[in-house]
Amino acid sequence: QKEVEQDPGPLSVPEGAIVSLNCTYSNSAFQYFMWYRQYSRKGPELLMYTYSSGNKEDGRFTAQVDKSSKYISLFIRDSQPSDSATYLCAMTVHGQNFVFGPGTRLSVLP
Amino acid sequence: EAGVVQSPRYKIIEKKQPVAFWCNPISGHNTLYWYRQNLGQGPELLIRYENEEAVDDSQLPKDRFSAERLKGVDSTLKIQPAELGDSAVYLCASSPGTSGSSDTQYFGPGTRLTVL
Repeated sequence: QKEVEQDPGPLSVPEGAIVSLNCTYSNSAFQYFMWYRQYSRKGPELLMYTYSSGNKEDGRFTAQVDKSSKYISLFIRDSQPSDSATYLCAMTVHGQNFVFGPGTRLSVLP
Repeated sequence: EAGVVQSPRYKIIEKKQPVAFWCNPISGHNTLYWYRQNLGQGPELLIRYENEEAVDDSQLPKDRFSAERLKGVDSTLKIQPAELGDSAVYLCASSPGTSGSSDTQYFGPGTRLTVL
């Protein structure tokens, strides 16, 4: 079992849909959780950063962490074609060794 | 503010040849990371520097890979000799803090290596 698991997709949705992206993990010591967006042939860029359990909202993006279930989610409201990218979850214990999921490829169709 | 700069962006070499990648982190960032990202996978850490010191190189294949970060700023990652399985994107990232901080990382665009 990999330390961080993520459905690779591809996930295709119509423009304006609500998108739900998820990761599960096995290491209960993880405390910091991140979501990155990676466009083709680009480096990952940080979208959301959450400490411990709870929700965090930033514009159209909401990140949720459920440490009891070892499950994190990213919701995208009113999805746009420009949201088409690969979404990577990442997590770390103390900001030292970041572990990334394999990424979910998202296509938002106009 | 300039982001993380990497060069070259693309490199094609034949197997058994050497190759080097260069990274200039965001100014003032103490921690520098090198990752390898295979197609369809997330980045995997190769080495982490805090200032000039390599504090985590447990995943670096030391028989053929080497890295340095002179003066705690720029860094170079080298592969010698390259193998077919080294074809991947090599990403550099930097963060402001050091061990124990919760700073996140900022990535460069990566170097796409193809070994023929």
